[in-house]
Amino acid sequence: AQTVTQSQPEMSVQEAETVTLSCTYDTSESNYYLFWYKQPPSRQMILVIRQEAYKQQNATENRFSVNFQKAAKSFSLKISDSQLGDTAMYFCAPYNNNDMRFGAGTRLTVKP
Amino acid sequence: NAGVTQTPKFQVLKTGQSMTLQCAQDMNHEYMSWYRQDPGMGLRLIHYSVGAGITDQGEVPNGYNVSRSTTEDFPLRLLSAAPSQTSVYFCASSRNRGGNTIYFGEGSWLTVV
Repeated sequence: AQTVTQSQPEMSVQEAETVTLSCTYDTSESNYYLFWYKQPPSRQMILVIRQEAYKQQNATENRFSVNFQKAAKSFSLKISDSQLGDTAMYFCAPYNNNDMRFGAGTRLTVKP
Repeated sequence: NAGVTQTPKFQVLKTGQSMTLQCAQDMNHEYMSWYRQDPGMGLRLIHYSVGAGITDQGEVPNGYNVSRSTTEDFPLRLLSAAPSQTSVYFCASSRNRGGNTIYFGEGSWLTVV
């Protein structure tokens, strides 16, 4: 079974600055996928970014990018030009063969 | 485009009662799943289905039952509710089980007293 560690329970960042959320995971699989989901106070789960483990190129989605280090089993999320609407819980989630595991989350607060 | 629809959104149950959480998707997705989210934790997989007539257990299946008679619907049944089942429940779906984007419903808040 996969285990996921998000070592930063809470983080804060000033509006317009950059912040990086860390995630490490443990899996015995070689082919899998990695996701970051955002959960605002409404509790809706919103996909932020997706990475395929067999691709070496890091995924990018507008202001969001990842640093994927497969050998180190690390999958960090960088948010550039932070906006107030980025305030939310962020969950890292590796996925393989019907099994998606979530970390405990990082609560990000963007301050004006 | 409704996406993934869950009902009810809020429910209070007494210990020992049974109930069904409904989930429907209109995207013709093969893969559907149920998660629970306890306070301060991430989501944990309860049951999943890779197609009509096929279901399997996830990480925390005890106390729950599922069926998948159609592609669109994937109800979750609580057989005899316990206070430990107080949680927020999320239904999710994706095109298939191959790592495609997983879409979540808005969540169902369940309290067992």
